[in-house]
Amino acid sequence: AQKVTQAQTEISVVEKEDVTLDCVYETRDTTYYLFWYKQPPSGELVFLIRRNSFDEQNEISGRYSWNFQKSTSSFNFTITASQVVDSAVYFCALSGLHTGGFKTIFGAGTRLFVKA
Amino acid sequence: KAGVTQTPRYLIKTRGQQVTLSCSPISGHRSVSWYQQTPGQGLQFLFEYFSETQRNKGNFPGRFSGRQFSNSRSEMNVSTLELGDSALYLCASSVGQGAPGYTFGSGTRLTVV
Repeated sequence: AQKVTQAQTEISVVEKEDVTLDCVYETRDTTYYLFWYKQPPSGELVFLIRRNSFDEQNEISGRYSWNFQKSTSSFNFTITASQVVDSAVYFCALSGLHTGGFKTIFGAGTRLFVKA
Repeated sequence: KAGVTQTPRYLIKTRGQQVTLSCSPISGHRSVSWYQQTPGQGLQFLFEYFSETQRNKGNFPGRFSGRQFSNSRSEMNVSTLELGDSALYLCASSVGQGAPGYTFGSGTRLTVV
């Protein structure tokens, strides 16, 4: 069975602080993808990153960075020097290859408040 | 390049009615997936269509159905609406079948009264 756990329900930080959002996953698949999405108040899910199970290289994109560790089944997301515009709900997702194709499940999400 | 378009944005229906939601994927994308988002259950996968065929289905009752047309546009239908069907319904498109590179629409917020 697949499972994605985002243990942090809400995080509140002050602007310019660094913040890390945790994501732990469970899967028996050897081929899978991990995602992070941002959902601002408008409701649309914005794709941030995709990682496949064979690529553990960490990635940095501007103020965003991701740490993928298969040994601990974690795919954590760090925002450096947070800004008010980063306030949103962030979802971690897992897509595993099953018969018939991929199935994607989402974590419960972490609501991030960045205060000015 | 136009994004994923979902219509309508908002909908209010009465219990027992049926509803049809529409999703137009990004041009060239052949896969469309549907999700239901509620405060209690979070984001749950409904189904995925690729080349007019349902490829995957989540754990939803038969009242939830969908289809995909030859131009990749997709519709989902919910019959005999229940209060618990009130949710944000999100559509996502990708180039090929399956997960990689989902692009989501803004969703349709359905309220059942």
